[in-house]
Amino acid sequence: GIQVEQSPPDLILQEGANSTLRCNFSDSVNNLQWFHQNPWGQLINLFYIPSGTKQNGRLSATTVATERYSLLYISSSQTTDSGVYFCAVGSAGGTSYGKLTFGQGTILTVHP
Amino acid sequence: DVKVTQSSRYLVKRTGEKVFLECVQDMDHENMFWYRQDPGLGLRLIYFSYDVKMKEKGDIPEGYSVSREKKERFSLILESASTNQTSMYLCASSLQGAFTEAFFGQGTRLTVV
Repeated sequence: GIQVEQSPPDLILQEGANSTLRCNFSDSVNNLQWFHQNPWGQLINLFYIPSGTKQNGRLSATTVATERYSLLYISSSQTTDSGVYFCAVGSAGGTSYGKLTFGQGTILTVHP
Repeated sequence: DVKVTQSSRYLVKRTGEKVFLECVQDMDHENMFWYRQDPGLGLRLIYFSYDVKMKEKGDIPEGYSVSREKKERFSLILESASTNQTSMYLCASSLQGAFTEAFFGQGTRLTVV
């Protein structure tokens, strides 16, 4: 099956700093999402971005499907940005029915 | 807004009990999914359903079954709970097809003692 690798595994920032999270995947995808898992465990949708670039406030994401990677940018980080960020992809091969394969996540800690 | 609601946030059950985890979505989504999340193993797909009464095994279906009698509801069943099923369970839904955004419930943290 498709492999998803996220980097870095851990990231510690001071409030106000910028950061870039990376997601590499091993095969063609028809679906790519970024999530933020809050301290209570819920996955919050950040971006649905199988290709191209999107921005939402301080967050933006870019997926280059032909090169099999996606980037999540966080600017002017805040303590509330802390948590785990997941990249999840749907393989373009076969009939996927919207199934997602998740990376291992990046644990972000933002200190005041 | 899409809402996916799981019946319990926290659950404690005894070994051997039959356990039902319920998930309801209010956006008329065709696809529904159950994942479990474990430290070091990430999120893994247990079962999914792409229509009422239709179900497909995911990557780790052993020890689980599912039921989808109505479009909005997808239940995960632990036939005989075991301690290795202690985990965070996450339900998700999405529109029909592959090119659709998935939305997750708040999660159920199950402890089997």
